[in-house]
Amino acid sequence: GAGVSQTPSNKVTEKGKYVELRCDPISGHTALYWYRQSLGQGPEFLIYFQGTGAADDSGLPNDRFFAVRPEGSVSTLKIQRTERGDSAVYLCASSLRVGGEQFFGPGTRLTVL
Amino acid sequence: KQEVTQIPAALSVPEGENLVLNCSFTDSAIYNLQWFRQDPGKGLTSLLLIQSSQREQTSGRLNASLDKSSGRSTLYIAASQPGDSATYLCAVAANFGNEKLTFGTGTRLTIIP
Repeated sequence: GAGVSQTPSNKVTEKGKYVELRCDPISGHTALYWYRQSLGQGPEFLIYFQGTGAADDSGLPNDRFFAVRPEGSVSTLKIQRTERGDSAVYLCASSLRVGGEQFFGPGTRLTVL
Repeated sequence: KQEVTQIPAALSVPEGENLVLNCSFTDSAIYNLQWFRQDPGKGLTSLLLIQSSQREQTSGRLNASLDKSSGRSTLYIAASQPGDSATYLCAVAANFGNEKLTFGTGTRLTIIP
């Protein structure tokens, strides 16, 4: 596709449930990033992939959060035992090369009831 | 730890005026700085990327400057239009090889017709 796509656009779940959020980067982009944005705040970094490997996962808040990128393209952010505090917009971005301009997807709005 | 500040948090100006948005960062050891706009309920659109070795970048009516030593960047918008109304975010990347972005909280711009 022309840009970064994310699915679903909205996800409502109950506390304690497991969720998966998907990101399709721009074709050919080797770097992929996940951020989380709470209302009225700027996005906060979660994890960065270069190819298939997580180059920096220092932003993941705890071990309930995990992300994969098995073939170096699509990435999935997985959240176990969701909590109400996980409610936010989860943004994905990709860049053509290390240190390049980052292009963002429309985000997934996660609501944990 | 890098901190990015954007002042003011909100700004309203009449259509046609030129305006400046400010961004400051605490650690001058950055690799690049990127300006984004975000429309309500949407993802981020990249506007300009300035490498640490550059002083400014221009795109159409937008001009971004960077003074790395003083930890400041400005985004200049010429001849503002109602379509420019959005939240503007600046973000810095720490180092080559550490491309995660640290964002400010944004300036919400309203252009009054």
